[in-house]
Amino acid sequence: DTGVSQDPRHKITKRGQNVTFRCDPISEHNRLYWYRQTLGQGPEFLTYFQNEAQLEKSRLLSDRFSAERPKGSFSTLEIQRTEQGDSAMYLCASSFSSNLRFSEQYFGPGTRLTVT
Amino acid sequence: LAKTTQPISMDSYEGQEVNITCSHNNIATNDYITWYQQFPSQGPRFIIQGYKTKVTNEVASLFIPADRKSSTLSLPRVSLSDTAVYYCLVLYGGSQGNLIFGKGTKLSVKP
Repeated sequence: DTGVSQDPRHKITKRGQNVTFRCDPISEHNRLYWYRQTLGQGPEFLTYFQNEAQLEKSRLLSDRFSAERPKGSFSTLEIQRTEQGDSAMYLCASSFSSNLRFSEQYFGPGTRLTVT
Repeated sequence: LAKTTQPISMDSYEGQEVNITCSHNNIATNDYITWYQQFPSQGPRFIIQGYKTKVTNEVASLFIPADRKSSTLSLPRVSLSDTAVYYCLVLYGGSQGNLIFGKGTKLSVKP
């Protein structure tokens, strides 16, 4: 399977704990996006990378959230001191973009986080 | 404030054509419109993308009027397997940080 993969698929954690999610994009894709989706809502943009550079972050993203994409390959999203409001599906997407400003994104299956 | 608005739900029957409209009043000249399909417990899947007038591929058509303040996804002859949530996505102002999804339209196809 050469699609976008995410690990783990499900995570249950206690409030206050740190969690880290991993995303492996399609190998030739240079852009990688993280979204959060809650029940009944559309995906909400969190941050995006072009190669290894994190170029944009949502103003809604608190300081407890951090993302990395070392070497421009896989990416990790860490949430520190989790809160119950962090419970959501975290989606990763990747795309290949050259001189186009926006191109088709391929989404992974998501990581469902439950904070108890 | 950029906003992408679409109906919450729609019902249809197998074999019918379904049209789902999305409003994006603050769309700028060079902003693209993209539609995605999502099944439960899966990530969204790309359907179609357009900039103006009409785009057609093997699964759908996308109609964009001249003022570009709305767009319509057209699904010809839907089947039961088309039951899903459909999202409109607009990239506002060329900024990747301004990727705004609508809240989604839940399409229910009945036999």
